Amino acid sequence: DAGVTQSPTHLIKTRGQQVTLRCSPKSGHDTVSWYQQALGQGPQFIFQYYEEEERQRGNFPDRFSGHQFPNYSSELNVNALLLGDSALYLCASSPQGTSGNTIYFGEGSWLTVV
Amino acid sequence: AQSVTQLGSHVSVSEGALVLLRCNYSSSVPPYLFWYVQYPNQGLQLLLKYTSAATLVKGINGFEAEFKKSETSFHLTKPSAHMSDAAEYFCAVSEAGGTSYGKLTFGQGTILTVHP
Repeated sequence: DAGVTQSPTHLIKTRGQQVTLRCSPKSGHDTVSWYQQALGQGPQFIFQYYEEEERQRGNFPDRFSGHQFPNYSSELNVNALLLGDSALYLCASSPQGTSGNTIYFGEGSWLTVV
Repeated sequence: AQSVTQLGSHVSVSEGALVLLRCNYSSSVPPYLFWYVQYPNQGLQLLLKYTSAATLVKGINGFEAEFKKSETSFHLTKPSAHMSDAAEYFCAVSEAGGTSYGKLTFGQGTILTVHP
C-alpha cells in the first residue's frame, strides 16, 4: 500500500515564477492538507481540501492556491514566487469521518527560489 | 487558537540514557496531540497520538508520552536512547473532532543528538 506520494522531490524556480506541486494521498484517504516547512522551523498549515473544496485555510496569502481532483489527489500552486517561499512543502492525508484518525505525511517537495 | 511550545530546541543524551522531550500546548477545546519524528531530508513519521483515550500513550520505537491536562503538557519519553533515535521531533496539536480535525499546529521542533 503506497503512502502519501509527492512530486517533484526537488525543484528550483526564479522569483516571480509560478510553481505547481502534486500529491497523491494514501489509499482510502479523501482529505488532503498542505504544509510549508521553512528551514529550522516546524511545519505551518497552508490549507486543507475535502470533496474538492478548500475547507480550512491557514495564514497564507492568496498567491497560494490549491485544487483537489475527483480521485482525491491534490495540487498546490504558488504564484509570483518570493525568496521567502523557499521551503519544504509537505502533503498530508487522512480519512474523513472518525476523529482521531492518523494523519500521514509524504516525503515533501523541496522548493528553492532564486 | 491553538499553540505548541517545545522547550529546548536541542537535546543531547548519551546512548542508553533517558530521553525527555518537553511539549506544552494551548487549546480552547479538547485537543488531540501528536508527536512526529523527522529524519534528515525526509517527511514526518508519526510516533504516537493522544485522542482522549488513555492518558499514557505508547508509540513506536519504544517512545511514550503522557497527557497531563492540569499541566497542559504532553512530554515524550524513552527509557533508553539509541543512536538511531537521533532526529528532529515535533509536537503538534489539533482540535478534537469537527471540520478542524486535520489542521495540525506544530511546535518549533527539538533536535535530539545521541552520543555513543
